[in-house]
Amino acid sequence: DAGVTQSPTHLIKTRGQQVTLRCSPKSGHDTVSWYQQALGQGPQFIFQYYEEEERQRGNFPDRFSGHQFPNYSSELNVNALLLGDSALYLCAVSRSRGGRETQYFGPGTRLLVL
Amino acid sequence: QKEVEQDPGPLSVPEGAIVSLNCTYSNSAFQYFMWYRQYSRKGPELLMYTYSSGNKEDGRFTAQVDKSSKYISLFIRDSQPSDSATYLCAMSPLTGANSKLTFGKGITLSVRP
Repeated sequence: DAGVTQSPTHLIKTRGQQVTLRCSPKSGHDTVSWYQQALGQGPQFIFQYYEEEERQRGNFPDRFSGHQFPNYSSELNVNALLLGDSALYLCAVSRSRGGRETQYFGPGTRLLVL
Repeated sequence: QKEVEQDPGPLSVPEGAIVSLNCTYSNSAFQYFMWYRQYSRKGPELLMYTYSSGNKEDGRFTAQVDKSSKYISLFIRDSQPSDSATYLCAMSPLTGANSKLTFGKGITLSVRP
């Protein structure tokens, strides 16, 4: 998992609630991307943060928002949860300059919406 | 049509077999190609990372990219039961660090002892 930590590991919520997921990269990884992986599917890109700004965004509604802190850690917030938001949420980290030029994933947070 | 299509599974092979996993894509802007392995209830783990066309070998794994055909492959030689996992192809137009990755659906491989 390349030293990436995510919390919590599992979460159960009900429809309409809000959730916050957290990601902490290891030292030197300044870029954080978030992905949603539904059961039996590949990860889908939600957005990417660099220097505390959202740099790119995938095809997800505004209910999905994020934040990056000065220490490069990041949060993913989902408002007004729907049943279809049940998935594994993955954080991926990378270095924008230098190092291997790809993304390394954390273990994920498994969200179940009832 | 999805941007990245991956051969449907699941795939079951005997130990020691050579495994071939394949993906096709439609976006000619893709320049960087990756293979990730994902064990059950874990995050994806990077296996191979290649740029543009050609082959890259790492131990029992070989990644092959044919940009003219928009086709990538991962070969696993002397497959082991520990190779049993889901394999995901991913690709991006810019360096993987700064660009969104577009994934295939994944194929589940089972290697029988």
